Amino acid sequence: GAVVSQHPSRVICKSGTSVKIECRSLDFQATTMFWYRQFPKQSLMLMATSNEGSKATYEQGVEKDKFLINHASLTLSTLTVTSAHPEDSSFYICSAAPRGGRDNEQFFGPGTRLTVL
Amino acid sequence: DQQVKQNSPSLSVQEGRISILNCDYTNSMFDYFLWYKKYPAEGPTFLISISSIKDKNEDGRFTVFLNKSAKHLSLHIVPSQPGDSAVYFCAAVGGSQGNLIFGKGTKLSVKP
Repeated sequence: GAVVSQHPSRVICKSGTSVKIECRSLDFQATTMFWYRQFPKQSLMLMATSNEGSKATYEQGVEKDKFLINHASLTLSTLTVTSAHPEDSSFYICSAAPRGGRDNEQFFGPGTRLTVL
Repeated sequence: DQQVKQNSPSLSVQEGRISILNCDYTNSMFDYFLWYKKYPAEGPTFLISISSIKDKNEDGRFTVFLNKSAKHLSLHIVPSQPGDSAVYFCAAVGGSQGNLIFGKGTKLSVKP
C-alpha cells in the first residue's frame, strides 16, 4: 500500500510552454503533499507545501506565479510550470503525507523528468 | 546555509564490508531523522528513521545511530551488497508542516 504516482514520468517541451505534472496518492488520502525539485548533484529542495482545499505555501525563492500548485482533492495535487524555460529542466518529485498516518510518515512519487528545449 | 549536511559526496565499499554514511545537522530542534535511498531516475524510497529519543534504530542490515550532542547521525549497512549502490539522502523533519530538509546525498558504490 501507500503508493504515490506521478504523471507524466518524463516530459519534453518547448521554451515558453506550460507543463502540468500530476501527483496522486493511489490507496490513501493525503492531507498534505509536498513538491520537491532535484538539481543534478544537488539535494532535493522543497518547493512548496500544499494542503487540500487551501493555497499552497511556497518556499522562499520559489515563484508562485511560475510554479502553480493545486491540491484539489485528498488524492491529487498538480504542479504546473508556466512559461517553462531551459533552466526549469529538472527532476520534480512529490510526496504525500497520509491522513491519520504516523508522525512524519511521507511517501514519495517516482518523480517527473522535465526537459525544456 | 545548509541545515542538513552530508559531507561525503561519494563512498566506495567492497561487497560484504560495512558501509557508513554520515550526516550532520545544525538545528538542535530537529527531532526526527530519516534516510532515503534513491536510484537514478526514480523517486527516493524510505529506508529507516530515528526519533531523537533514541540513539539507535536497527532494521535488518541497516542501522541508524544518532548522537544528539554532536548533532550527528550515521547509517550503517552490514554487510554491503552491490544492490545497495545508490544515492543515500539524510533528511530531518523541519518546518511547521513536517516537510523534509534533505542533505545533498552520498553516492554509495558497492563493488563485487
